[in-house]
Amino acid sequence: KAGVTQTPRYLIKTRGQQVTLSCSPISGHRSVSWYQQTPGQGLQFLFEYFSETQRNKGNFPGRFSGRQFSNSRSEMNVSTLELGDSALYLCASSFNLYEQYFGPGTRLTVT
Amino acid sequence: SQQGEEDPQALSIQEGENATMNCSYKTSINNLQWYRQNSGRGLVHLILIRSNEREKHSGRLRVTLDTSKKSSSLLITASRAADTASYFCATDSTGTASKLTFGTGTRLQVTL
Repeated sequence: KAGVTQTPRYLIKTRGQQVTLSCSPISGHRSVSWYQQTPGQGLQFLFEYFSETQRNKGNFPGRFSGRQFSNSRSEMNVSTLELGDSALYLCASSFNLYEQYFGPGTRLTVT
Repeated sequence: SQQGEEDPQALSIQEGENATMNCSYKTSINNLQWYRQNSGRGLVHLILIRSNEREKHSGRLRVTLDTSKKSSSLLITASRAADTASYFCATDSTGTASKLTFGTGTRLQVTL
């Protein structure tokens, strides 16, 4: 099976812009979670989607949003980018509600 | 916010030696998992231990869990250069593994 894929892998944006990141889970996985990783805050949970519904949400401002499509692919959007949004954004999919399979991440740099 | 701390923050050993990393967490959990991350890439699941288990083995990995102390340890035996990576513990309080809370991580360097 193909692994979790994330596009794009690298992205450079300017403050104030918005960005959309995409994640394609492993075939058959219905749960998709998003995490932000920064040197200062480490790995933090953003949100999780299951069958097109947001099931869990982390403590991030409303500028961070996401959605999931009927084929389980997910997107996350960050509006009005700030310098502090520079991070590695990781997507993970799960089948058995125990193990998460992570994608390679999208490295976002905000200038 | 992160669930807890891992120590040491960094560990440097020689190939063939054992590496032990510790993780402490704050709230009650359903299970605890360990992940490896190579150089800012995605995480790879290593092992899961449920809250009613005390010890688990997988190949060269041994994980222990002490829920009374809210702590876990990961032992990698006979380390190899390929084990060089960051290791994270992650706790799951929901039982769905969809909202993991990660520790701060231990950077392991294995030299030849």
